[in-house]
Amino acid sequence: DAGVTQSPTHLIKTRGQHVTLRCSPISGHKSVSWYQQVLGQGPQFIFQYYEKEERGRGNFPDRFSARQFPNYSSELNVNALLLGDSALYLCASSPSDRSYNEQFFGPGTRLTVL
Amino acid sequence: SQQGEEDPQALSIQEGENATMNCSYKTSINNLQWYRQNSGRGLVHLILIRSNEREKHSGRLRVTLDTSKKSSSLLITASRAADTASYFCATDVSGSRLTFGEGTQLTVNP
Repeated sequence: DAGVTQSPTHLIKTRGQHVTLRCSPISGHKSVSWYQQVLGQGPQFIFQYYEKEERGRGNFPDRFSARQFPNYSSELNVNALLLGDSALYLCASSPSDRSYNEQFFGPGTRLTVL
Repeated sequence: SQQGEEDPQALSIQEGENATMNCSYKTSINNLQWYRQNSGRGLVHLILIRSNEREKHSGRLRVTLDTSKKSSSLLITASRAADTASYFCATDVSGSRLTFGEGTQLTVNP
């Protein structure tokens, strides 16, 4: 079975631009979460979606938004990019929104903002 | 803010030795998970320990959890060069929203 997939793998943008990152969860998984990992730090929670509804939001500005589609894939959008948005963006899927499930992470999208 | 804090930040050992990493956290948790990350790539889930469990094993991995001290440890026995990676603990407080620590960089020298 395919694991969590993310696209693109790498992305270079300039300040002020907008970016869309995509994630396809493991088949049958209905929960998708997004994390931002700045170099040298641990991942930080951005969003969780379950059954197309936002279930949680981390401490990120409104420039960050996300959505989940009927097939449970998800997009993360970031507007008005700042240099500090340069990071590895990780998507994770799990079968449900319950806390006893492990989360399966994708390979990430490396975003560089110049 | 990071809930978990790993200790040490970096650990260098020889192949065959055991590696122990510690994690402390601040609030009550549902479960605690350990992940491995190779060279800034995706995270690989290693083990999940629930708040009512004290110890768990998986192959060469042993995880302990002390909820009274709000701490956990990950022991990797008979380490191999392939174990070289960053190791993160992550606490689950509510609904699978994970809070990660800063990580321990483990280097296993052949």
